Amino acid sequence: AQSVTQLGSHVSVSEGALVLLRCNYSSSVPPYLFWYVQYPNQGLQLLLKYTSAATLVKGINGFEAEFKKSETSFHLTKPSAHMSDAAEYFCAVSPGGGYNKLIFGAGTRLAVHP
Amino acid sequence: EAGVAQSPRYKIIEKRQSVAFWCNPISGHATLYWYQQILGQGPKLLIQFQNNGVVDDSQLPKDRFSAERLKGVDSTLKIQPAKLEDSAVYLCASSLGPGGEETQYFGPGTRLLVL
Repeated sequence: AQSVTQLGSHVSVSEGALVLLRCNYSSSVPPYLFWYVQYPNQGLQLLLKYTSAATLVKGINGFEAEFKKSETSFHLTKPSAHMSDAAEYFCAVSPGGGYNKLIFGAGTRLAVHP
Repeated sequence: EAGVAQSPRYKIIEKRQSVAFWCNPISGHATLYWYQQILGQGPKLLIQFQNNGVVDDSQLPKDRFSAERLKGVDSTLKIQPAKLEDSAVYLCASSLGPGGEETQYFGPGTRLLVL
C-alpha cells in the first residue's frame, strides 16, 4: 500500500532563506508524486507534479522538487522564502494505474519570519 | 475558466442531525472526488466518481455517508446522522480523467462543525 511521510509538521524560516520541506513515500509501483499548497480557508492548489519524465520538477512560485528513487524521496525546495509562502504544504502520491486516488501526507506548516 | 464550486462554505449542526454538501466541478471534468480533511491531517479520499458511476468508495462510512452524482456533473455528499467526529473540512475535487498523472483541482471546501 502507498503511504507518504512528511518530516516536520512545522518549519520556520527567515525571509530570503532556503525552504526545504521533506517528503518520503512508499509505493510498490512507480508512483506519481504531487505537492499541493493550502492557504487559510482555501482549497488545495497544485505546486508541481512528477509523472516519470524529468526527475527535477519545476513548479509555480519558484518551487521545485527532485524525485530520488533510491531514497524514495520527493523533497520540495525554494531558494529564497517570501512572506507570501507561509501556508500548509501537502505531499501526495498516486499509485497510478486506472484510477487516481491521492494519498496525502499529514502536511507541513511553513512560517516565514521577517 | 471557473474553478470547482462548493456550498455551503460553513455549516454548524448538532449531532444526529443531517447535512448535505454540494459540488460543481470544472466543466468537462469526468472525474469527481470527495475528500475529508480533519484538523491537523491531510485530506482522505471518501469517494471517487467517474462520470456518474462510483469507482472507489472504500473509505466512505456507508452507514451514515452517501453521495451521488446524477447526470455526471454536480454532486452531493450527505451525512445522516452526523457524529462529533465528522467535524472536518469536506473538499471536492475534479480532474479531466481518472489517470494517475491527472491533476486534481480542489474547491474551497465546506467546513463542518458538529456540536
